[in-house]
Amino acid sequence: SQTIHQWPATLVQPVGSPLSLECTVEGTSNPNLYWYRQAAGRGLQLLFYSVGIGQISSEVPQNLSASRPQDRQFILSSKKLLLSDSGFYLCAWSLDRGTDEQFFGPGTRLTVL
Amino acid sequence: AQSVTQPDIHITVSEGASLELRCNYSYGATPYLFWYVQSPGQGLQLLLKYFSGDTLVQGIKGFEAEFKRSQSSFNLRKPSVHWSDAAEYFCAVGDNNYGQNFVFGPGTRLSVLP
Repeated sequence: SQTIHQWPATLVQPVGSPLSLECTVEGTSNPNLYWYRQAAGRGLQLLFYSVGIGQISSEVPQNLSASRPQDRQFILSSKKLLLSDSGFYLCAWSLDRGTDEQFFGPGTRLTVL
Repeated sequence: AQSVTQPDIHITVSEGASLELRCNYSYGATPYLFWYVQSPGQGLQLLLKYFSGDTLVQGIKGFEAEFKRSQSSFNLRKPSVHWSDAAEYFCAVGDNNYGQNFVFGPGTRLSVLP
């Protein structure tokens, strides 16, 4: 069966520090991968999606970036964190981008101080 | 592109009462529709989905949803709510024609009174 992992589960970082969040998927090949952010009390905001290795589409301009170095690995990064980057970050995968359900990881709670 | 609205930001019901969460979508073709649930501090879990066929869809945890094309709605229902149902609920619409987008609604937070 397929599983999706995210780490770390919780992270507290100072403003201006770098960020690296990792997401890995097991049990499937060539998945579509997604990064979402939830600010406190808000809905899901799609940040990035990837349809294949090295292929990244950005949905919202920001100081975050994403990379997909391997088929089932998706990384969210920042060179310098802002206070507004605080939130709950969710990774998800799906087989078909438009019609298949997305399967979500457990999320990473990021607090920028 | 498609869009999704969930008119109720927050709903409170008593345990044992019935529940209906509203979802309206805008889409030019037959939509792919989903309901997800998110417990605090957790990822999202799929409750049910509709692609075609019977417009009344059964899901996990005793939930069901009905697709009504004439009303562009896909409301989620449960006949008797349990305290453990307190969570955030998201409706989503997929698109297999135009941009292959997958759009989530803003969510409805459900509180359950003992």
